[in-house]
Amino acid sequence: EVQLVESGGGLVQTGGSLRLSCAASKFTFSSYEMNWVRQAPGKGLEWVSYISSGGSSIYYADSVKGRFTISRDNAKNSLYLQMNNLRAEDTAVYYCAREKTMVQGVIITRVFDYWGQGTLVTVSS
Amino acid sequence: DIPMTQSPSSLSASVGGSVTITCRASQSIRTYLNWYQQKPGKAPKLLIYSASTLQSGVPSRFSGSGSGTDFTLTINSLQPEDFASYFCQQTYSPPFTFGGGTKVEIK
Repeated sequence: EVQLVESGGGLVQTGGSLRLSCAASKFTFSSYEMNWVRQAPGKGLEWVSYISSGGSSIYYADSVKGRFTISRDNAKNSLYLQMNNLRAEDTAVYYCAREKTMVQGVIITRVFDYWGQGTLVTVSS
Repeated sequence: DIPMTQSPSSLSASVGGSVTITCRASQSIRTYLNWYQQKPGKAPKLLIYSASTLQSGVPSRFSGSGSGTDFTLTINSLQPEDFASYFCQQTYSPPFTFGGGTKVEIK
């Protein structure tokens, strides 16, 4: 079955940096768009960033734009999130999620069909 | 961005009972609405997409409906494993925003 395994989380001081990784297996990673989604403790889900299958299209949530950088290495089946200038409000579990296109007749919709187990990032002063 | 509002934020129900969760979009999203289930300490799991289509392997006691701005997730004959949090997500227009979540607890 599809596997997504995040790593790289930890405790970092305000203003510091972390690089998260997501190792993908059991599917053709290079064929899928990928996302990072985060969840602050006890809170809901917040989409963070998107990258197209080839890496040419990238989007960010306004809350992280200019501080976070998403990238991927299709040869290594890996997704990354470089997080700089971290703030207390970035404290969350970060999930990588595979995006899949579902076709139903003329309707084409997108879902996040597989998620990793998450990695916790704690930003403390 | 399209804000998504879920209600209630939490509810209590009995095993064997039924619950209905509502998700409202700030503008029409047609049927570009997904539902996810999340258990404590676990990743979200896709339940329903396109407002009413069950993901493969999801039990038929789960159902979704709605279009435009108003959507519902209904769980009939609640099982112990259904007590979890549920999130809606719009995929009509990026960024693909989520609702705030609804926690379903055992009464």
